[in-house]
Amino acid sequence: GAVVSQHPSRVICKSGTSVKIECRSLDFQATTMFWYRQFPKQSLMLMATSNEGSKATYEQGVEKDKFLINHASLTLSTLTVTSAHPEDSSFYICSPRPSGGYNEQFFGPGTRLTVL
Amino acid sequence: GQNIDQPTEMTATEGAIVQINCTYQTSGFNGLFWYQQHAGEAPTFLSYNVLDGLEEKGRFSSFLSRSKGYSYLLLKELQMKDSASYLCAVRFSGGYNKLIFGAGTRLAVHP
Repeated sequence: GAVVSQHPSRVICKSGTSVKIECRSLDFQATTMFWYRQFPKQSLMLMATSNEGSKATYEQGVEKDKFLINHASLTLSTLTVTSAHPEDSSFYICSPRPSGGYNEQFFGPGTRLTVL
Repeated sequence: GQNIDQPTEMTATEGAIVQINCTYQTSGFNGLFWYQQHAGEAPTFLSYNVLDGLEEKGRFSSFLSRSKGYSYLLLKELQMKDSASYLCAVRFSGGYNKLIFGAGTRLAVHP
């Protein structure tokens, strides 16, 4: 199967700081990247979708100026949580879709963000 | 709109069979996925259905009826390690073929 990495796996930061999360597809190219977040005991909520080289499309209720997405290459996408607050504490998971198109959608291992 | 429903919790006995149902209402259906997720981990792929019928993969099977907006995941010969959340997700054909998840079903397997 496809290999997806996320870094960091876990981060603790102070309120007001920014945190960058990297997502890499290690053995395939991904034209499209999905970013999800998951609060405790809840399901995955889609935050935004991005295509390589273009601006991300955000889901309703997700602030695009707070969650900055960069999809600069076919193997790397980043999500930056700007001016993080405790309510942003969550599990963030990326999901790159292979450029060739597959029936399976792969997920990264996730990043646990805790904002103090 | 998009609406995906599945039971919140289920319990079952080791060695038994359990069926987890999922119903959805959507425009632009383009496939249904089932994922397993253990606490604190990312979801892992179990099955994919885009045509009506049953897909079997070892102890896991998944069924889809597009006309009824209905799917189920069948787990046979349950093991303790099957205790996890099971997520039903629907892919929508509009835009980027995004995948939207149901709330998930927490399955507890007891000895």
